[in-house]
Amino acid sequence: GIQVEQSPPDLILQEGANSTLRCNFSDSVNNLQWFHQNPWGQLINLFYIPSGTKQNGRLSATTVATERYSLLYISSSQTTDSGVYFCAVTTSGTYKYIFGTGTRLKVLA
Amino acid sequence: EAQVTQNPRYLITVTGKKLTVTCSQNMNHEYMSWYRQDPGLGLRQIYYSMNVEVTDKGDVPEGYKVSRKEKRNFPLILESPSPNQTSLYFCASSLQGSGAAGYTFGSGTRLTVV
Repeated sequence: GIQVEQSPPDLILQEGANSTLRCNFSDSVNNLQWFHQNPWGQLINLFYIPSGTKQNGRLSATTVATERYSLLYISSSQTTDSGVYFCAVTTSGTYKYIFGTGTRLKVLA
Repeated sequence: EAQVTQNPRYLITVTGKKLTVTCSQNMNHEYMSWYRQDPGLGLRQIYYSMNVEVTDKGDVPEGYKVSRKEKRNFPLILESPSPNQTSLYFCASSLQGSGAAGYTFGSGTRLTVV
């Protein structure tokens, strides 16, 4: 089956810094999503981005489907950005989601 | 308020005692899904449902059952729980399977099987 790898596994930033999180996938996908899990465990959908670029405030995401990767950019990070970021994909013909193991981000005040 | 509601939030049970975790959504979503989250393994999909009476296996369906008799409800059934099913469980829903219109998670159910 498809493999989804995220990097880096852990990231510590000072408040105000920028960061890039990466999601690599081993096969073609028809769906890619980014999620944030806050320190209290709540999961929030950030982007639906099977291809192209989207922006939402300080967050933006780019997926290059032909090269099988997606990037999540966080600019001017805040302590509330702390948590774990997951990417998840589905492949053609199915809506079975495969999640990466996540990037744990800690933003220090 | 649009939401996915899971119950209970916490559950401790004994090996072999059947249990059901309920999941309900009020957004008229067609797609619903169950996940388990374990340290170091991320989220793994257990089952999903594209619509009423349509369910399909995710990556880790063994030991679980689901049913989708109504659009709003998608209960997760553990007929004979074992300690390796101790985990944090999430229910989720979206308008369609793609999640293009958003993907909403419940608050989670922490299950301990002793």
